Amino acid sequence: EIVLTQSPGTLSLSPGERATLSCRASQSVSSNYLAWYQQKPGQAPRLLIHGASSRATGIPDRFSGSGSGTDFTLTISRLEPEDFAVYYCQQYGSSLALTFGGGTKVEIK
Amino acid sequence: QVQLVQSGAEVRKSGASVKVSCKASGFTFTGNFFHWVRQAPGQGLEWMGRINANSGGANYAQQFQGRITMTRDTSINTVYMELRRLRSDDTAIYYCATTVVVVSPFDYWGQGTLVTVSS
Repeated sequence: EIVLTQSPGTLSLSPGERATLSCRASQSVSSNYLAWYQQKPGQAPRLLIHGASSRATGIPDRFSGSGSGTDFTLTISRLEPEDFAVYYCQQYGSSLALTFGGGTKVEIK
Repeated sequence: QVQLVQSGAEVRKSGASVKVSCKASGFTFTGNFFHWVRQAPGQGLEWMGRINANSGGANYAQQFQGRITMTRDTSINTVYMELRRLRSDDTAIYYCATTVVVVSPFDYWGQGTLVTVSS
C-alpha cells in the first residue's frame, strides 16, 4: 500500500496569500495518478486536481498541482475566503489499494 | 445531472451490522464503478473498496476483508455497503463516490451517511 504523507498539518495564512501544500508518497505513484480534494465542514470532498496537474471541471485557475513520482504539490496562488478548508491528496493508480493523505488544514491567520 | 443520494443516519450496537445504500441518477448506472470511503469524526478519508455496477464484482481494502460486502441492484440503480461486527471505531461518515473507469479520481460523491456505533 502506498502511504501518502501531507505537510504541514495546518497552514495559517491570510486572504490573498499563497498556499503551498505538500504530499509525499512512500513509493512512486503510477502514471502520476495523484488527485487533490478540498473538504469543507459538513460537506463531501470536492475534486480539485487529477493526474497531478489537471484541474477538474469548474475549478478556478488559482489552484494548480505539480510534481511527479513521490513528491507532489498543491498551490493556491491567492487565497480567497472560500478556500479555507481541509485538503487531501489521493493516489488512485494502485487500483486495489487507493489511499489518501492525512490532510492539510488551511486556516485563517 | 449526476446525483448520488445516500440513506439516512444509523445507530448500531457493537457487534451488529449496518447496510448503507447509495441511489444513483443522471448517468448510466451499469457503466460505472462505485467506491465507498469513510471518515471518522475529525479524521481523514479512508477508502473501503469498490464495486463494478455492471458485473457486481467487488474489491475491498485489506483492513475490511471478511466483514464488508458491497452489492448492487440494477433495477433501482442502487449500491449497498454492508459492514458487519461493528466496533466503536467504525463510527464515521460513510460516503459513496462514482467513477466511469477503474483508474480514476472521484468526481461525484454522495452526501454521506453517519453511522454511530455504541457499546
